[in-house]
Amino acid sequence: GENVEQHPSTLSVQEGDSAVIKCTYSDSASNYFPWYKQELGKRPQLIIDIRSNVGEKKDQRIAVTLNKTAKHFSLHITETQPEDSAVYFCAASRGPAGSYQLTFGKGTKLSVIP
Amino acid sequence: DTEVTQTPKHLVMGMTNKKSLKCEQHMGHRAMYWYKQKAKKPPELMFVYSYEKLSINESVPSRFSPECPNSSLLNLHLHALQPEDSALYLCASSRVVLRGGRDTQYFGPGTRLTVL
Repeated sequence: GENVEQHPSTLSVQEGDSAVIKCTYSDSASNYFPWYKQELGKRPQLIIDIRSNVGEKKDQRIAVTLNKTAKHFSLHITETQPEDSAVYFCAASRGPAGSYQLTFGKGTKLSVIP
Repeated sequence: DTEVTQTPKHLVMGMTNKKSLKCEQHMGHRAMYWYKQKAKKPPELMFVYSYEKLSINESVPSRFSPECPNSSLLNLHLHALQPEDSALYLCASSRVVLRGGRDTQYFGPGTRLTVL
């Protein structure tokens, strides 16, 4: 089955700096890659996702890049703010429209220091 | 309505109790999911319903019994749980697209379950 590795497990950055979280996946058939942000005691919230037919997607301060050849994808957060502090999970799935179940990475705890 | 709601927010139960968790969405999604999440871990898939039919059961013990009475509701019936079942139970929903494929999943706020 699919295996998703996520690094780093913890990340501390100064406010205003950029943060990068990386994930690798094992199943070359995976075609859908969402990123979820989970604040303490809250639900996982989708912040951005990318499908295998594109290499990069941006939404304001957040971007995701996908390298299908190397089987890795990354989350980039620019101009970080204290409210970006949370645990971030990457995930991967395959099948029509990503129909197979999501396989999650183990999470990255991001701390933005004011 | 663009939210998935779950009740109760917190639940404490003994090992001999029977309780139920409820999940509701009004986004017209026809796929619904139960996940279990332990502290500092990612969500683990338990069950998937597509068009109100159980399509995936990830070898979950029978003390967890899911039910999908209609396209908006998903229940998880709990009986004879163990202390190690204490966790955050998350519901999610998504569209069903393209020959049964499932789309982006949206999570509810979860039920924090404590088994004594």
